[in-house]
Amino acid sequence: EAGVTQFPSHSVIEKGQTVTLRCDPISGHDNLYWYRRVMGKEIKFLLHFVKESKQDESGMPNNRFLAERTGGTYSTLKVQPAELEDSGVYFCASSQELGAGVVNEQFFGPGTRLTVL
Amino acid sequence: GDSVTQMEGPVTLSEEAFLTINCTYTATGYPSLFWYVQYPGEGLQLLLKATKADDKGSNKGFEATYRKETTSFHLEKGSVQVSDSAVYFCALRENSGYSTLTFGKGTMLLVSP
Repeated sequence: EAGVTQFPSHSVIEKGQTVTLRCDPISGHDNLYWYRRVMGKEIKFLLHFVKESKQDESGMPNNRFLAERTGGTYSTLKVQPAELEDSGVYFCASSQELGAGVVNEQFFGPGTRLTVL
Repeated sequence: GDSVTQMEGPVTLSEEAFLTINCTYTATGYPSLFWYVQYPGEGLQLLLKATKADDKGSNKGFEATYRKETTSFHLEKGSVQVSDSAVYFCALRENSGYSTLTFGKGTMLLVSP
């Protein structure tokens, strides 16, 4: 069974440009999460989808970040326009729901390293 | 809010040395506790977990015990190998509905032959 995949693995862009990150969760996993690790800091939660709906987007830093999950399969995270402080590693994770809002272990992808110059 | 504090790295050890990586937490409820590991070039993998006080999680020779009285979940291994070199993250998740993971900053472990 394929794990969580993310594309691209690395992205280097200039300040002001737009970047779109993609995450393909494990097939059948309704829950999809985005996290970010800025250099030397904690991995921080960004948002959580249940199927195509945003369950929790309290971690999104500002309105330059837009996440979508059309059809409840893969997800994209767009940063527009990118700023220097957006540099970091963006992780995606997915999990199954066991029912009544109880979710199983989160499986993580390898991350996308974003560098904004 | 919830938070996780773990020791700064890098931790540098020789092969077969004893490993301890400290982790303490602050939580509003009664969370589940986790250790994740990230090997070079790979994603985060769940290493072990404990869901209630006094539970011990173990995997691949690593152990951690959920200590509610000291709000700690220290990671230990009796004899590390070069292949254990990785970044280790302590994390918690509240046991309520769609709660998400709260991570520490990560501790890099470097094991030399």
